Amino acid sequence: GNSVTQMEGPVTLSEEAFLTINCTYTATGYPSLFWYVQYPGEGLQLLLKATKADDKGSNKGFEATYRKETTSFHLEKGSVQVSDSAVYFCALSRRTGNQFYFGTGTSLTVIP
Amino acid sequence: NAGVTQTPKFQVLKTGQSMTLQCAQDMNHEYMSWYRQDPGMGLRLIHYSVGAGITDQGEVPNGYNVSRSTTEDFPLRLLSAAPSQTSVYFCASSPGQASSYNSPLHFGNGTRLTVT
Repeated sequence: GNSVTQMEGPVTLSEEAFLTINCTYTATGYPSLFWYVQYPGEGLQLLLKATKADDKGSNKGFEATYRKETTSFHLEKGSVQVSDSAVYFCALSRRTGNQFYFGTGTSLTVIP
Repeated sequence: NAGVTQTPKFQVLKTGQSMTLQCAQDMNHEYMSWYRQDPGMGLRLIHYSVGAGITDQGEVPNGYNVSRSTTEDFPLRLLSAAPSQTSVYFCASSPGQASSYNSPLHFGNGTRLTVT
């Protein structure tokens, strides 16, 4: 089947620290991979995506590389800010079918 | 551009009551879907639609009905609310006839439902 596994949170970091949130997936074929971010009281927003192996998605200083050999799509940021405090979701979609598959989310809190 | 609009933002129901959660999008997206978000469970797909007149079940459809009479609207109906349906509900849409692998979802801001 199709599934996404994320590292459990919550994660608390000091401002300017390095962030890694791990994400691994199980899927048939060649899925597209996404990271979404959810700020308090809001819906999810697309943060970045990658559609094929070795692609790197990037946005707002966040990066993730599609690693087919390890079935991973880890989210990284070199220097987090207080404004990055949110819940981060890893997700995949397949080339056929009409469903996205989401991880359970990782809560990040950045303290000054 | 409003995007995806959900109403109401908050709702409290008694067990056995019925209600409809509204979702509208103004982006002419063919694909629309409903998710529920529960602690430790992530987002789970309830129902989805790939166009007007076409709906299908997701992972957790029991207790919920949907219809899609127009491209813009995709209401979610709870026929007889149960405490297990206490959750945050999100509507999401995507361009194209299918949830194309290359097209991300656009989410509304959610409806927080409590069933007592």
